[in-house]
Amino acid sequence: SQQGEEDPQALSIQEGENATMNCSYKTSINNLQWYRQNSGRGLVHLILIRSNEREKHSGRLRVTLDTSKKSSSLLITASRAADTASYFCATVFLGGYQKVTFGIGTKLQVIP
Amino acid sequence: NAGVTQTPKFRVLKTGQSMTLLCAQDMNHEYMYWYRQDPGMGLRLIHYSVGEGTTAKGEVPDGYNVSRLKKQNFLLGLESAAPSQTSVYFCASSYVTGGPLGNQPQHFGDGTRLSIL
Repeated sequence: SQQGEEDPQALSIQEGENATMNCSYKTSINNLQWYRQNSGRGLVHLILIRSNEREKHSGRLRVTLDTSKKSSSLLITASRAADTASYFCATVFLGGYQKVTFGIGTKLQVIP
Repeated sequence: NAGVTQTPKFRVLKTGQSMTLLCAQDMNHEYMYWYRQDPGMGLRLIHYSVGEGTTAKGEVPDGYNVSRLKKQNFLLGLESAAPSQTSVYFCASSYVTGGPLGNQPQHFGDGTRLSIL
């Protein structure tokens, strides 16, 4: 499968700690995106990082991309209870049928 | 600004019944998508549309049909519902600014939870 795979599948941390989620994929990509999904809601776009970029920041979020290792990480600093959600990486692969392919997600619980 | 609106939010069907899921977006997006989300499977693309009057198959199109008669609306139809189609269905839309499909962030609705008995 070309699907990105998130790791870990579940993560529980205390409020104020940092949370790191990883995404690995198998084939060359055009870009990689991270989304958040709160329980019972749709996905919300967080960050898009293109294949020629190595790092992007947005507020408390930092995304890195290592195309040589075919992996990306999402770091949430100083986590809050409101960050409790599932986080998905989505990849757009080069060549052939180009579409966004979503992983199965990391379920993050931030304990107040 | 409503974004992407899906109706209905919940529905229970019997096997063999038909229904249409409605998606409307008010962002003037060219691209629209239908996904299904199942536990342990992530989101899988059912059908998508790159503009009014055009549709294309995604990863799991069997048992579904779509129509995009107006730019702002994307309809997903189940002609003869099966228990395997029990899922949460999400509609999404995005701009097109060149590059491949998926080159821009997608905006999602809150989903339709569909149970087929």
